[in-house]
Amino acid sequence: AQSVAQPEDQVNVAEGNPLTVKCTYSVSGNPYLFWYVQYPNRGLQFLLKYITGDNLVKGSYGFEAEFNKSQTSFHLKKPSALVSDSALYFCAVRDMRNFNKFYFGSGTKLNVKP
Amino acid sequence: EAQVTQNPRYLITVTGKKLTVTCSQNMNHEYMSWYRQDPGLGLRQIYYSMNVEVTDKGDVPEGYKVSRKEKRNFPLILESPSPNQTSLYFCASSPGTSGATDTQYFGPGTRLTVL
Repeated sequence: AQSVAQPEDQVNVAEGNPLTVKCTYSVSGNPYLFWYVQYPNRGLQFLLKYITGDNLVKGSYGFEAEFNKSQTSFHLKKPSALVSDSALYFCAVRDMRNFNKFYFGSGTKLNVKP
Repeated sequence: EAQVTQNPRYLITVTGKKLTVTCSQNMNHEYMSWYRQDPGLGLRQIYYSMNVEVTDKGDVPEGYKVSRKEKRNFPLILESPSPNQTSLYFCASSPGTSGATDTQYFGPGTRLTVL
């Protein structure tokens, strides 16, 4: 079965410190992986994706993610957190047997404190 | 402005009263999808559509119907809503589902409460 897991419901970090939001995946074959962000009372916004190539993917708002095939992980990172980064973050994977289906993690709430 | 719109944004209804949540996109996208978001479960895919008149089930299609008569519209129909369908619903669209074109654009969400 295709799935993603976000092991942390919540991540707390101080402004200016680096942040990591964790995601692990389970798929058949090479995965297509995504990160989305949801601000309060808003829809999800695309941050970045990994399809193939360089394991370090750069995205919007200074975020990046590292694809690690051996650990089946796709952790989201940012070198210096901002208070405005506080939001709900979702990892997602595409079903490699049916490209029209997507699976999302349960979400991680990021709290960045001043 | 390129966007996905949903209506209504908020809806409180009673068990068994048929309702439709509309979704429209102005980006000429081929692919559209419906998700429900529940605490601790993330987003789960209800139905998707690859193009006009082409739809298929996602992971949680029970109790829902969809139609795709026009490229821009993808309404979600609850023929007989039940309290377990109380949720936050999102519509999304994408240019396609082939590699570089698979980024989804999400609507603002519809919060549905079924009493």
